[in-house]
Amino acid sequence: EIVLTQSPATLSLSPGERATLSCRASQSVSSYLAWYQQKPGQAPRLLIYDASNRATGIPARFSGSGSGTDFILTISSLEPEDFAIYYCQQRHSWPLTFGQGTKVEIK
Amino acid sequence: EVPLLESGGGLVRPGGSLRLSCAASGFTLDKHGLTWVRQAPGKGLEWVSSMSPIGATTYYADSVKGRFTISRDVSKNTLYLQMNSLRAEDTAVYFCAKSPEWLFPSVDSWGQGTLVTVSS
Repeated sequence: EIVLTQSPATLSLSPGERATLSCRASQSVSSYLAWYQQKPGQAPRLLIYDASNRATGIPARFSGSGSGTDFILTISSLEPEDFAIYYCQQRHSWPLTFGQGTKVEIK
Repeated sequence: EVPLLESGGGLVRPGGSLRLSCAASGFTLDKHGLTWVRQAPGKGLEWVSSMSPIGATTYYADSVKGRFTISRDVSKNTLYLQMNSLRAEDTAVYFCAKSPEWLFPSVDSWGQGTLVTVSS
């Protein structure tokens, strides 16, 4: 099983600041990594697929990078609606696995 | 229009069974990959099961293998998750989700979730 480790667990930032979230895989997942955003009481939403492709309707302030074992989700300038929990997920091999999540909170 | 709508959650005793349904609208199930993901209270996301868009091959997490069954009824455009021998650790919100063939099993659309509570 591929283990995904996200860091940091919590990121405390102010609106307008840049957020950098990390996801590290225990073995290579090539570029088969997605990022999801989840707000309290809501279903997750796909942000980025295959490491660097924005999903439909996702603002350009969200970007993804990386390949192999190390991946980054960047939010260039935090908007109030971006404070949420972010999960990475790999689809390289079964079982499908998620990271434990990074909470982006208002400082 | 909500593309995915789960139902069937509730309170069940340990060892009991429950069948979750996920009604799809605006797309046809047999052209998409389908996945169940759960989230225990206050915890992260856990993949449960998936069905591939081609051939309807099924996949299960080890934690549910042999107890849960994913299936679909194309005529009703509905996805199911039959859950047997339920345990306290199966308590969670269960989400159904879909993916186009090229993205499977990552998912691009989720239902709102249905809560399953396993307790005596």
